[in-house]
Amino acid sequence: GAVVSQHPSRVICKSGTSVKIECRSLDFQATTMFWYRQFPKQSLMLMATSNEGSKATYEQGVEKDKFLINHASLTLSTLTVTSAHPEDSSFYICSASQGGARGYTFGSGTRLTVV
Amino acid sequence: EDQVTQSPEALRLQEGESSSLNCSYTVSGLRGLFWYRQDPGKGPEFLFTLYSAGEEKEKERLKATLTKKESFLHITAPKPEDSATYLCAVEVAHSGYALNFGKGTSLLVTP
Repeated sequence: GAVVSQHPSRVICKSGTSVKIECRSLDFQATTMFWYRQFPKQSLMLMATSNEGSKATYEQGVEKDKFLINHASLTLSTLTVTSAHPEDSSFYICSASQGGARGYTFGSGTRLTVV
Repeated sequence: EDQVTQSPEALRLQEGESSSLNCSYTVSGLRGLFWYRQDPGKGPEFLFTLYSAGEEKEKERLKATLTKKESFLHITAPKPEDSATYLCAVEVAHSGYALNFGKGTSLLVTP
């Protein structure tokens, strides 16, 4: 079955630094990848949609200069949280689209803690 | 505005006690309704996709059904290992297509 690998699984960083999260589709090519954020006891909120080779489309209220997304190949998308602040602490999850009934496969998530 | 509402927010069952989780939705142009299971600290794990009213799908102790306004996830004779958060999502046309999630139902099955 389709597998999406996400790294790191957890990261702690100091306020003001940047953190990069990687999302890889291991056994399929993903023309579209999605980045979600999930706060405790809340649902997954879509942050942005990225298509290979083009700029990401950000949801309303998500700062594109703060959350940099790069989808340079059909198997890799990265999310960089720039100048992180404690309010950016959250669970970030990526998803890759294959199309069809099993259209969306999710990574295992990254727990970001900004101190 | 597209909305997905899940109920109950939390559910506690004894092992073997069957029940149903509800997902009601208001979307313009449903392409598909997805059910996922999420364990603490993990990403969602795919369970089912339903496309049209009347459709049903089963997997082990789980059965998902779909009407024009809601979907149910029936859990028959649950076991403690079924404890998880169950998420419902609708696929919507959104800068291409993406999933819009409900808040989930946290299920605890006790021995």
